[in-house]
Amino acid sequence: QVQLVESGGGLVKPGGSLRLSCAASGFTFSDYYMSWIRQAPGKGLEWVSYISSSGSTIYYADSVKGRFTISRDNAKNSLYLQMNSLRAEDTAVYYCARDVGATTGAFDIWGQGTMVTVSS
Amino acid sequence: QSVLTQPPSASGTPGQRVTISCSGSSSNIGSNTVNWYQQLPGTAPKLLIYSNNQRPSGVPDRFSGSKSGTSASLAISGLQSEDEADYYCAAWDDSLNGPGVVFGGGTKLTVL
Repeated sequence: QVQLVESGGGLVKPGGSLRLSCAASGFTFSDYYMSWIRQAPGKGLEWVSYISSSGSTIYYADSVKGRFTISRDNAKNSLYLQMNSLRAEDTAVYYCARDVGATTGAFDIWGQGTMVTVSS
Repeated sequence: QSVLTQPPSASGTPGQRVTISCSGSSSNIGSNTVNWYQQLPGTAPKLLIYSNNQRPSGVPDRFSGSKSGTSASLAISGLQSEDEADYYCAAWDDSLNGPGVVFGGGTKLTVL
């Protein structure tokens, strides 16, 4: 069935790095724009980054620009988020999500989320 | 402070009709379509409405969306206990600072 499965979360110290992965299955991954969206404990949703189907177009939220890097490997049906210079405020559940079109903000498939905790 | 503004809470009794508002600006709702998400406790968000008023397959027609100018709303008719959840609006934002998706702060719906 159509699904996204995130991995790579964990506990990291401030200033540290982490790489999240999202494995897609059940659909033609290379046809879709993808995003990372996060949710801090007890808080609302915050969009993090966007990547086009080919990987040629990328957008970031101001809060992560210069620290996070989104990428994808269509041959491996995988989406990635490299997170550097992590801060306490980056603590959140990170979801990968599929856009129904191109930059619509309508995410029809979500992963189960992976928790990232930044703490000393 | 979220870019899109939603009331933090809403409530209703079973069978009632409830609406949740979402206010934005010309760079987001005013020039792009609005989407709505339902998030049950401990689960990932679920797309409820896309492109202002379209329901994905499987979403009951009790849920409807509308948009006017820089505001949008989600209506839930025939309220049921299982509708108790957090609801978020979202839209693409063509900000000069950098485009991206903006979300509302979320509305916690309580079924009394």
